[in-house]
This record gives sequence, structure tokens and C-alpha cells, in this order.
Amino acid sequence: DSGVTQTPKHLITATGQRVTLRCSPRSGDLSVYWYQQSLDQGLQFLIQYYNGEERAKGNILERFSAQQFPDLHSELNLSSLELGDSALYFCASSPRDIVSTDTQYFGPGTRLTVL
Amino acid sequence: AQSVSQHNHHVILSEAASLELGCNYSYGGTVNLFWYVQYPGQHLQLLLKYFSGDPLVKGIKGFEAEFIKSKFSFNLRKPSVQWSDTAEYFCAVSLPRGSGNTGKLIFGQGTTLQVKP
Repeated sequence: DSGVTQTPKHLITATGQRVTLRCSPRSGDLSVYWYQQSLDQGLQFLIQYYNGEERAKGNILERFSAQQFPDLHSELNLSSLELGDSALYFCASSPRDIVSTDTQYFGPGTRLTVL
Repeated sequence: AQSVSQHNHHVILSEAASLELGCNYSYGGTVNLFWYVQYPGQHLQLLLKYFSGDPLVKGIKGFEAEFIKSKFSFNLRKPSVQWSDTAEYFCAVSLPRGSGNTGKLIFGQGTTLQVKP
């Protein structure tokens, strides 16, 4: 158990819908990262938050957004869902901001299926 | 753009065989290197990491990796695999602060290891 929790574990929805994925980082970690794992793209970085502020964006679609709340949990919002958004979404946390030697601890992931 | 390549997509070994998984990255400067493992149905776990010092890094569960700067490689090794090593293995790179680093990990495509009992 990494100490990072994600809910829900599985999510099945239809095209055009909107979903919210939730992540709670390890106790004491201030940075949260979101990654998408798909068969064709592999593991891709989406976005990072540090202590409530957006710090970096990767290959995140405009239909996707995220935020980190004062209690440090984070939510990833996916809207106008398409079939191609079906993937495993991981959250990771680390203690500090953009310290590249820090280990990122990963949650169990949320498997999203868009029908 | 920086990238990470893992040469073997699927490896099948018998128990007690030796393992070497290849990883190469494309970036000319200093990098930090990681190997993560994902056991079936579980989250990604760190096996080992390298950011400075001895280029031969020892990790958990008997794994080690060697950083060879001249070859831009960070290959993962284990002298004798067990059935319980069946998993997917990911090599990843992060860049130091000041190099356009966003803190993100850049992952390879992963190698699925199947160990036959």
C-alpha cells in the first residue's frame, strides 16, 4: 500500500458524459500528479499540483481539468467523454515541488471505460 | 522531446533464469532514472532509482540497475527470477530543475515479464 488512495476503482460511463476522479495523497505529501495509461499511448503525464496550485501541464486535453483542495486531495474532471478516453488514470504524490529526485508514490488507479 | 525506450515488450523466462531489461533515454544532460514495477492488479511501486553517485544501484527484491552515461542506458537486472516477479516493468526519467523540468516522470512503454514456474 503506497498510502495514495483513489476513488472510484472502476467507472463505466457513456460518450459525452462528465466524470470526476478523486485522489488523496500520502500524508505529508504536497504534490499531486495525474497520469493516464492507455494501450496506445502508454503512461503519460497529465498535470501536477503543488499545495493547491497548478504547477505543470503535460498532454492534458482541454476537456480535462483538475484541482487540488486545501486538504490536499485532488480531483480530475473529464468532460465530453470520448471512446478514446478509456484508460487507467493514476494519481501519484511526492513530498515537495518539482524535486526530480523525489520518489512519486502511485495510487491504485481508476479504470475508466467509456461506452 | 525527451523519450524513454524499453526494447523488450514481452519477456518470458523460467524460474532461476537471469533477467536483463533494457532502457534507453534521449536527453543529453543530467537525468534522474527510475524503475517501477506493476504487479497484476496492483499500483506502480518503485524498484530503484538513480540520481548520482555509484552507477550500480541496488533496489528491492534483489533487483539492480546500472547507469551507463555513454550509452544513455539504465538496464534492470536480476540474477535469478522467481514466479512472483511476473509483472510489468517501467523505466522512467525525470529532469533536474532548471532544464524545463515539470517534475513529471517520462515513462517507457513498459516490459511485461512472465516467469514460468
